[in-house]
Amino acid sequence: QSALTQPASVSGSPGQSISISCTGSNSDVGGYIYVSWYQQHPGKAPKLLIYDVTKRPSGVSDRFSGSTSGNTASLTISGLQAGDEADYFCSSYTGSSTPQVFGTGTKVTVL
Amino acid sequence: QVQLQESGPGLVKPSQTLSLTCLVSGGSISSGHYYWSWIRQPAGKGLEYIGRIYTSGSTNYNPSLKSRVTISLDTSKNQFSLKLGSLTAADTGVYYCARSPIYSGEFDLWGQGTLVTVSS
Repeated sequence: QSALTQPASVSGSPGQSISISCTGSNSDVGGYIYVSWYQQHPGKAPKLLIYDVTKRPSGVSDRFSGSTSGNTASLTISGLQAGDEADYFCSSYTGSSTPQVFGTGTKVTVL
Repeated sequence: QVQLQESGPGLVKPSQTLSLTCLVSGGSISSGHYYWSWIRQPAGKGLEYIGRIYTSGSTNYNPSLKSRVTISLDTSKNQFSLKLGSLTAADTGVYYCARSPIYSGEFDLWGQGTLVTVSS
């Protein structure tokens, strides 16, 4: 099962909105509603931001939102803040022998 | 609230077997609502799913690691463990334990991670 494809880096200015893409196939992103997104600050464990494509766990800011179109999922961060500077990973259920596959990761820089 | 805490050696020699444990506190590992997983991350790289175990003891492993991995459960101690054999330098990285709901699969709770270095 190949890793999902994400852009290596995305940047934006404070207050702007940015989107991170996560491209897979019909066997993962395009085939199931179980896409999740994680935020990871340096030296820290990943934190769940989005699950089931669009749902936010309790305590996660509504500035983070998720969507899908075909085989591509997207994470949008609105009202970009300095604290959003981190690495972001997507993940999808696959239905194969490896039930979960991660994306390659995207480094978000706040200019 | 529920917390996960990894423990194990930080340095292991090549060809040896790595043994890590994840202690679950604040909740029961036997609840039946979750899978208990291991995930790793080489320095500066992405996340890799290693495998998971369910309350029943059933396991699932990443095919690329399957021949070297064993995940087990100790309900009396409320913990689960990872054994990874035939280590090489490529196995160096941070190892995380994590929890995922059985009906959706996202990793909703993570341990802080433990750095494992494979070196002689």
